[in-house]
Amino acid sequence: RKEVEQDPGPFNVPEGATVAFNCTYSNSASQSFFWYRQDCRKEPKLLMSVYSSGNEDGRFTAQLNRASQYISLLIRDSKLSDSATYLCVLVTGGGNKLTFGTGTQLKVEL
Amino acid sequence: DTAVSQTPKYLVTQMGNDKSIKCEQNLGHDTMYWYKQDSKKFLKIMFSYNNKELIINETVPNRFSPKSPDKAHLNLHINSLELGDSAVYFCASSHQRLAGGSTDTQYFGPGTRLTVL
Repeated sequence: RKEVEQDPGPFNVPEGATVAFNCTYSNSASQSFFWYRQDCRKEPKLLMSVYSSGNEDGRFTAQLNRASQYISLLIRDSKLSDSATYLCVLVTGGGNKLTFGTGTQLKVEL
Repeated sequence: DTAVSQTPKYLVTQMGNDKSIKCEQNLGHDTMYWYKQDSKKFLKIMFSYNNKELIINETVPNRFSPKSPDKAHLNLHINSLELGDSAVYFCASSHQRLAGGSTDTQYFGPGTRLTVL
């Protein structure tokens, strides 16, 4: 089983839609969790951290379920500019090692 | 000002050659990383240095040798390039790992697209 698994998509959604991605992980010792965003042919950039209690940043909501070992990202009122690949990221190995999922591609259409 | 910069942006070379990629960060970070993103977009850590000291080496072939002359620079030298080395190589940096195992944000460079012919 891969350390981090994501549905590669693409998820094609109309502008204004709500879309959710899940990510499952196998290492129960994972310490921290993040969502990164990567635009086509660009570098990954941190979107948001994921906390056990759930956290929100504008239209984005992230949640962590340690018992079931998954994290989720919810995007409300999708914008064309949200089109990107969303990478689920875990921190293991003492805090410096980031393990990336293969990403979920989102395409927001008019 | 660019926070994490890499040169070159594109590198096309023949099999068997030796090449280097340079990375510099002006964020004052203590820790730097090299990642490889293959054609399937899978991003995997290769190395991590903290204050010029190697702290992560993810069983990368010996042909890959990172060098950190100071904490603002982490270069990657690749000997005897192979077709399978074709990928995008990202450099990243972060502050030193915080106490308790939490991790500061990693900032990525723009990537170096390596093509081995």
